[in-house]
Amino acid sequence: SQKIEQNSEALNIQEGKTATLTCNYTNYSPAYLQWYRQDPGRGPVFLLLIRENEKEKRKERLKVTFDTTLKQSLFHITASQPADSATYLCALDTVDTGRRALTFGSGTRLQVQP
Amino acid sequence: EPEVTQTPSHQVTQMGQEVILRCVPISNHLYFYWYRQILGQKVEFLVSFYNNEISEKSEIFDDQFSVERPDGSNFTLKIRSTKLEDSAMYFCASSEGGHRTDTQYFGPGTRLTVL
Repeated sequence: SQKIEQNSEALNIQEGKTATLTCNYTNYSPAYLQWYRQDPGRGPVFLLLIRENEKEKRKERLKVTFDTTLKQSLFHITASQPADSATYLCALDTVDTGRRALTFGSGTRLQVQP
Repeated sequence: EPEVTQTPSHQVTQMGQEVILRCVPISNHLYFYWYRQILGQKVEFLVSFYNNEISEKSEIFDDQFSVERPDGSNFTLKIRSTKLEDSAMYFCASSEGGHRTDTQYFGPGTRLTVL
């Protein structure tokens, strides 16, 4: 079955810096890879989706890359702000079954210090 | 902006009791989902629902679980006989379509505590 690895250690950065979060997966490459934000006690909030044939996707201060050779996605937040502090989840679709169910990683907690 | 709502926000129950968790998906959405997140663990898929029937379910979704759309707006998850290990946050989600690129919008969750 698909395994997803995200840095379990919290990432602490200074305001204004770029945060880079990693998502690695094993086995087959997903057709789509998604990033969500989750605040404590809240549901995940969709941020970005990148397709297997896309190298990079941007939305405002967010950038996602997808390297199917490395089986890795990187999620960048530029000019980070304290309000960006949250847990960021990587989620994969599966291509072999066409299931709509999302498989989530355990998330990386980001703390942006003012 | 339309959002998924869930009630109650927190449910405490005794082991062996039945619970029903309620969700109101976004009004024009056709696909509905339940996920759960045990404290400190990953968000896990339970079930998806379309056209008044289950379209997919995970290994977690055993005979103790059932889902229903009792009317045009609500979507419920029933756990027949709760166990201690059912304690978790339960998230409802909905999407407009069923394609894998259709964004799933999550509700705020119901925290279920089984004593």
